Amino acid sequence: GAVVSQHPSWVICKSGTSVKIECRSLDFQATTMFWYRQFPKQSLMLMATSNEGSKATYEQGVEKDKFLINHASLTLSTLTVTSAHPEDSSFYICSARVDRDYNEQFFGPGTRLTVL
Amino acid sequence: GQNIDQPTEMTATEGAIVQINCTYQTSGFNGLFWYQQHAGEAPTFLSYNVLDGLEEKGRFSSFLSRSKGYSYLLLKELQMKDSASYLCAVTDSNYQLIWGAGTKLIIKP
Repeated sequence: GAVVSQHPSWVICKSGTSVKIECRSLDFQATTMFWYRQFPKQSLMLMATSNEGSKATYEQGVEKDKFLINHASLTLSTLTVTSAHPEDSSFYICSARVDRDYNEQFFGPGTRLTVL
Repeated sequence: GQNIDQPTEMTATEGAIVQINCTYQTSGFNGLFWYQQHAGEAPTFLSYNVLDGLEEKGRFSSFLSRSKGYSYLLLKELQMKDSASYLCAVTDSNYQLIWGAGTKLIIKP
């Protein structure tokens, strides 16, 4: 149980275009979903926390107008990278949490974004 | 500020035992997680400690001392596939998960 999927698993796009990444909890309802970014040989960096039906909470330094997060249901959150640039190329990982008191996060497989 | 410290890199020999330490200073404590991450993949859950003591799960064990702000992950009978990064993460009083930078473990034959 507790499977999280991400789509697409990898994407290549041109500079200036927008890319949408989907994160789904397949067999449970996730009250909270998290979006991370990871550059090569670096640790996870939390970008934002989203709760179903409310606005996402962004970490300091993350542009909310550039990284649009929508958490429309208990099983789906989307991250849209708008007007992507080469420096946005990274590994984007989502995770989902069932129970705040336990706080285990179930991770999706990640999406590798390359902006040309 | 909140801080989690773990060694950047460790090297061990196949078949041996290795202990990866993690110390933390956080505003409150509601549990500590260890995750394994292979290169290019997402993290996978290894263990969870909320009370002091040792939790054993097969070849992996995790220890917690809340009074010392200290945990370790013990890996026995190391296999080449254990080469990965190991991430320590602590849940603070606001139920935020604070991540360590990870320890890259290199296993040599």
